[in-house]
Amino acid sequence: NAGVTQTPKFRVLKTGQSMTLLCAQDMNHEYMYWYRQDPGMGLRLIHYSVGEGTTAKGEVPDGYNVSRLKKQNFLLGLESAAPSQTSVYFCASTHRPHEGGREQFFGPGTRLTVL
Amino acid sequence: SQQGEEDPQALSIQEGENATMNCSYKTSINNLQWYRQNSGRGLVHLILIRSNEREKHSGRLRVTLDTSKKSSSLLITASRAADTASYFCATVGSNAGGTSYGKLTFGQGTILTVHP
Repeated sequence: NAGVTQTPKFRVLKTGQSMTLLCAQDMNHEYMYWYRQDPGMGLRLIHYSVGEGTTAKGEVPDGYNVSRLKKQNFLLGLESAAPSQTSVYFCASTHRPHEGGREQFFGPGTRLTVL
Repeated sequence: SQQGEEDPQALSIQEGENATMNCSYKTSINNLQWYRQNSGRGLVHLILIRSNEREKHSGRLRVTLDTSKKSSSLLITASRAADTASYFCATVGSNAGGTSYGKLTFGQGTILTVHP
């Protein structure tokens, strides 16, 4: 199993450009998440999905859109990139959490620089 | 905003010594998890402790949870150079009215350096 994969690994954008980050998982997980990590900080949740066709906002959703058309894929879009969106983006997935909670499985990250 | 604080922000020790990292959080939780991140890599899950548990062990890892103080600690015993990484605590909130959907709220992390 590949686990959680992310493409691309690196990207440089100019302000105002758009792009889509792709996350794919082969573990048949229902739940998927997008986080961003800024220097010296922990991860912050951007958007998440609890199943195919559903998405919801996290802590820092502004400037991002997401789609979950297939269970195994979760796309993160930047319509008009801004320098403040320079960050490392991580995707994660998990099975539907039961009462005791479940661990999340993380992808390797996408390093995005917006000039 | 970040759920809590981690202490210390950086820790430097010699191989064989124990490393203790602390995490505090602000709101009621369902569970607390610890993750490890090697430089430039994704996060790897280490251990999960539920709100009704006080201590949990996994190999050289020991995690404690004190819900009255809203704090947790991670102890790594007999550290190795390969333990050098950033360590994050993350909480899943409790939600009496529904579900938190497993959303993680992370601390800022502790950078651990283990010298050979």
